[in-house]
Amino acid sequence: GAGVSQSPSNKVTEKGKDVELRCDPISGHTALYWYRQRLGQGLEFLIYFQGNSAPDKSGLPSDRFSAERTGESVSTLTIQRTQQEDSAVYLCASSLARKKLFFGSGTQLSVL
Amino acid sequence: KQEVTQIPAALSVPEGENLVLNCSFTDSAIYNLQWFRQDPGKGLTSLLLIQSSQREQTSGRLNASLDKSSGRSTLYIAASQPGDSATYLCAVRPRTGTASKLTFGTGTRLQVTL
Repeated sequence: GAGVSQSPSNKVTEKGKDVELRCDPISGHTALYWYRQRLGQGLEFLIYFQGNSAPDKSGLPSDRFSAERTGESVSTLTIQRTQQEDSAVYLCASSLARKKLFFGSGTQLSVL
Repeated sequence: KQEVTQIPAALSVPEGENLVLNCSFTDSAIYNLQWFRQDPGKGLTSLLLIQSSQREQTSGRLNASLDKSSGRSTLYIAASQPGDSATYLCAVRPRTGTASKLTFGTGTRLQVTL
């Protein structure tokens, strides 16, 4: 695609529910990243994919968070049993190897 | 551990002024450095990327410089416009180790007033 696409753009959920966030990277980009940005704060690294393997998942905050990627395409970030502290903008980015990083518009997650 | 600092945290300038945003990093073993802008409620837009072997990159009214030995990068914006108002972030990619560990600064919030 022309850019990194994320869906949904907004998600409101109740505490305790599971949510799935989707990222469609730029076609051909081998690297895919998930970041989290809480209100008024900086970017927090979550996980990195090279192809469909995740050599670095050190940023996932708890075992409620998981992510997968299909080949060098779509990635899904799943948050189980959501908590209010999970409320944030979840940003996805992709790049070709270690070249320029391109971000999607993010998913605004609100946990009530 | 790489630490990236951006000063000032916020800046307000009148339209037409030239301005400089600063980015400092503690570990000079970087592969590249990238500048982004973030508009409220939006994702990040890539502005410029400088490889570690380069000294500067230019795009339109933007010029980014890199002094790896001193751990500094600057983003120069010429003839600022209200549309330049946004938060500007720099991020460094390490030369070795896990390539994923881009470290972001906390940003400079720029407001250009009429």
